[in-house]
Amino acid sequence: KNEVEQSPQNLTAQEGEFITINCSYSVGISALHWLQQHPGGGIVSLFMLSSGKKKHGRLIATINIQEKHSSLHITASHPRDSAVYICAALASGSARQLTFGSGTQLTVLP
Amino acid sequence: DSGVTQTPKHLITATGQRVTLRCSPRSGDLSVYWYQQSLDQGLQFLIQYYNGEERAKGNILERFSAQQFPDLHSELNLSSLELGDSALYFCASSVGGGTGNEQFFGPGTRLTVL
Repeated sequence: KNEVEQSPQNLTAQEGEFITINCSYSVGISALHWLQQHPGGGIVSLFMLSSGKKKHGRLIATINIQEKHSSLHITASHPRDSAVYICAALASGSARQLTFGSGTQLTVLP
Repeated sequence: DSGVTQTPKHLITATGQRVTLRCSPRSGDLSVYWYQQSLDQGLQFLIQYYNGEERAKGNILERFSAQQFPDLHSELNLSSLELGDSALYFCASSVGGGTGNEQFFGPGTRLTVL
């Protein structure tokens, strides 16, 4: 079982829809990252959070440490949001490496 | 543009060969991380350097090695290449040495081993 699991694997939405991508992890963490990978391959860091909620434009990330769960929400989705979204957990303790989920392929149709 | 540069963009080579991938971090960043993204394994952390010293090691094969130079650029050396080493190799940089810092990713080097 992967330490970081994402769902769904693939998601197709119509422009304007509210989107939620989920990330569950099985280890104690000190931080969780959400990344966006564009079709060309480039990776952009969207959020890094260790508690609560963060918002940037139409993107919102939340984390529940007790339930070991994080969500990424996109409001008023747009075709340019089409990308792979990846969550990555930083285990607490001495480990300093990120463990990545397998990614969610999001396609937003006009 | 993240400010992290990687060269080359694409690399095609044969099995058994050795290649060097180069990464220049954002100005002011002291940490460099290397990641491998393959179709079957997804993204995996390889190694981290902070201010010239190895800070953390992940799933890096013995055939692979890395270093960070005094000017803070880093090189990832891959030797005795196998077909399975074909992947996208990303480097990222951050200001601090703990991986709790936000990381900025380079555009990646696509390695194809034939």
